[in-house]
Amino acid sequence: EAQVTQNPRYLITVTGKKLTVTCSQNMNHEYMSWYRQDPGLGLRQIYYSMNVEVTDKGDVPEGYKVSRKEKRNFPLILESPSPNQTSLYFCASSSRWVTDTQYFGPGTRLTVL
Amino acid sequence: QKEVEQNSGPLSVPEGAIASLNCTYSDRGSQSFFWYRQYSGKSPELIMFIYSNGDKEDGRFTAQLNKASQYVSLLIRDSQPSDSATYLCAVNTEYGNKLVFGAGTILRVKS
Repeated sequence: EAQVTQNPRYLITVTGKKLTVTCSQNMNHEYMSWYRQDPGLGLRQIYYSMNVEVTDKGDVPEGYKVSRKEKRNFPLILESPSPNQTSLYFCASSSRWVTDTQYFGPGTRLTVL
Repeated sequence: QKEVEQNSGPLSVPEGAIASLNCTYSDRGSQSFFWYRQYSGKSPELIMFIYSNGDKEDGRFTAQLNKASQYVSLLIRDSQPSDSATYLCAVNTEYGNKLVFGAGTILRVKS
């Protein structure tokens, strides 16, 4: 089954404790991105990747890191989480361009205390 | 000014009616426009895209684009309770490989 998977789905952590949210797709997609969704603000892009080893900032990259060492994986790293990073996070992928159909993962709900 | 603006709603329509969802955008150079549907607790899924001025129909859905007015809309004919969801407008800006999303409009279809 073609899908985007994220882990964990739910995470409660404390300020300053490094964490990684994994994202994996099995569709051989080149384009992958991370979004956060907050009430009243909609989806905002954090980082995106056009291909392996090619990443770039989205609209809200502060406090986040990403890497793209393999085509299928695009982990999101929070080196020192803060409460303002409490949000719902979605990973998405598309075949090549951002204008291709974006396939979203199931979401990760993160709470930083 | 937000780059992509939508009325948050909720928009309530009776079953069988036409639901009209609207979106305005600020980047005049935007080329591609998308409507995603998001059910409560679920991830967004693409339902329509439009690139050219005018109307594009797909089943009960019609997307309308007016680049001069920087306006894109989604019409849902014969609305069903299963259409109740949040509808997200997304725009590909002229520069950069990204989509900018509006905050979404909540649609409620009452039976």
